Amino acid sequence: VLTQSPGTLSLSPGERATLSCRASQTISINYLAWYQQKPGQAPRLLIYAASTRATGIPDRFSGGGSGTDFTLTISRLEPEDFAVYYCQEYGISPPSTFGQGTQLEIK
Amino acid sequence: EVQLVESGGGLVQSGGSLRLSCAASGFTFRNYWMHWVRQVPGQGLMWVSRISGDGSDTSYADSVKGRFTISRDNAKNTLYLQMSRLRADDTTVYYCSRGGAFSYGPFDYWGQGILVTVSS
Repeated sequence: VLTQSPGTLSLSPGERATLSCRASQTISINYLAWYQQKPGQAPRLLIYAASTRATGIPDRFSGGGSGTDFTLTISRLEPEDFAVYYCQEYGISPPSTFGQGTQLEIK
Repeated sequence: EVQLVESGGGLVQSGGSLRLSCAASGFTFRNYWMHWVRQVPGQGLMWVSRISGDGSDTSYADSVKGRFTISRDNAKNTLYLQMSRLRADDTTVYYCSRGGAFSYGPFDYWGQGILVTVSS
């Protein structure tokens, strides 16, 4: 089980956002990804292997952590960053699980 | 450019069947694991099923096991999800997504999603 916190995060453009994802068991080899989803759109891969940015993702997005505790940090929020963010474990054995999401909203 | 386009969704009665398709282009389809993920509008994501590149290895979420069947036609670059004994709680948006070259791998491309509505 992946538990994301907070459920909702209210910040202003230019501020720093830190989102948390906690796993109930150790995630092997950091098979942990982060996705961004905007209304009416499919999820978009941001980070994989806990800290590797996907192709085309701006460097204001960074991932960290290991074991059971992971974070997604957005260094300076841009207007287009306000969305829902999900973490995911994608290990060798199924099922792949997603966290319940963090809504990042404009303050 | 990688593209995944789902089709086959719609309205079906409880207990009925439906087959979703996902047409893939822009990459060597047979080299990748593929997944189905679903999402109740306004709610979270739930992994449904996965299939290996050659189609020999499949897995399912417990909630769909025995009712859904994932398959692929590598000659047609198409992924399928055959859904039977549909229930009201299967009403969601279904996404196909590309996994990695191995059984583990993030889902790096997603289709636009297709809505399935099961009426009781």
